[in-house]
Amino acid sequence: DTGVSQDPRHKITKRGQNVTFRCDPISEHNRLYWYRQTLGQGPEFLTYFQNEAQLEKSRLLSDRFSAERPKGSFSTLEIQRTEQGDSAMYLCASRRGGRSYGYTFGSGTRLTVV
Amino acid sequence: ELKVEQNPLFLSMQEGKNYTIYCNYSTTSDRLYWYRQDPGKSLESLFVLLSNGAVKQEGRLMASLDTKARLSTLHITAAVHDLSATYFCAVFFYGGATNKLIFGTGTLLAVQP
Repeated sequence: DTGVSQDPRHKITKRGQNVTFRCDPISEHNRLYWYRQTLGQGPEFLTYFQNEAQLEKSRLLSDRFSAERPKGSFSTLEIQRTEQGDSAMYLCASRRGGRSYGYTFGSGTRLTVV
Repeated sequence: ELKVEQNPLFLSMQEGKNYTIYCNYSTTSDRLYWYRQDPGKSLESLFVLLSNGAVKQEGRLMASLDTKARLSTLHITAAVHDLSATYFCAVFFYGGATNKLIFGTGTLLAVQP
């Protein structure tokens, strides 16, 4: 169990630029989630994949956001035309199917839009 | 809309004292998770509560779940400084083909010597 890996750990970008984050889940986990956390708040759900299928996308995700999980392995989250309000920690989590399995979170990608 | 509320939002405790953090949620769920988060870090899993009446303990922390009351508690016994962190509860929400965790607002715990 090597854990959930996220890359990069930190990203500073200028407003209007596009950014892409990567998440590598634990290999046997078929479920993958993206969350966003702003300072002083709890994580907010963004999107959910089961294998390669994106089964839910939060209304928090505007058209500028897109997520993929090709072949049901790693996932990417892209933000186009970044805005200052996008500055946050983006967390990825994965888990196996089944009631008793917990969620494992990655270390997150901290995005700062200047 | 599923809402998860924690109280208190901020808790300053003296070492050696006991206290309880409360987590209330607004819709039916039979699974609840507690996480710890240190500043600038990710989420560390503390407890997974899978049924009504579930109680789990690890060290100075004990969590319980009452699904009928839609309430979970995290009890801290004889607090020590190392417990200082933000604690989140998260409720499992199942909606047909999808599922997710909905997080509470968090409780910032500061244990003073």
